Amino acid sequence: DTEVTQTPKHLVMGMTNKKSLKCEQHMGHRAMYWYKQKAKKPPELMFVYSYEKLSINESVPSRFSPECPNSSLLNLHLHALQPEDSALYLCASSQAGGADGYTFGSGTRLTVV
Amino acid sequence: GQSLEQPSEVTAVEGAIVQINCTYQTSGFYGLSWYQQHDGGAPTFLSYNALDGLEETGRFSSFLSRSDSYGYLLLQELQMKDSASYFCAVPYGGATNKLIFGTGTLLAVQP
Repeated sequence: DTEVTQTPKHLVMGMTNKKSLKCEQHMGHRAMYWYKQKAKKPPELMFVYSYEKLSINESVPSRFSPECPNSSLLNLHLHALQPEDSALYLCASSQAGGADGYTFGSGTRLTVV
Repeated sequence: GQSLEQPSEVTAVEGAIVQINCTYQTSGFYGLSWYQQHDGGAPTFLSYNALDGLEETGRFSSFLSRSDSYGYLLLQELQMKDSASYFCAVPYGGATNKLIFGTGTLLAVQP
């Protein structure tokens, strides 16, 4: 299995809702990532998990809460989002270190109304 | 700060050769990666250069000059399916697992 699977593919949520994005990989990668991508822009790093521990938080607002239940799973919990948070949320994984290549999922396209 | 600059758009015809440039400013340089992203799809890893020189993988080649803080992706025998966005990327901040992406180049291949 050489894929990163993200669910759901599309999500519409209100500003008072709580929802979760899920990401799964079975490549034995020990680093997992959340990126946010706006239209016609590059992906922007949000969080890095290394060996199931949060190692990097790029000053992301607390309405985004990551979780890594085990080495194969990564979640992003969403609460009280704003319309400007609407974007494509990408999960990726790599060997620890990861400089030589990430595997990305197809993303969750999130719309906040 | 960290920055990676790319041309915003490039247009070429099928069968042609196109070069997408990337100039970067970053501390703690480890290497330069390239990713392809079709509209609405996942970024896909293409290549990684840790050392100066040209790396060839099929129709795609990638070049790095560390002294010039410059690299490029060369696409040969262009096909319609190569129409996509292309991003260069580098690890930054002294951590190999903090990947920052360039501004991105939208390649349009015309018949």
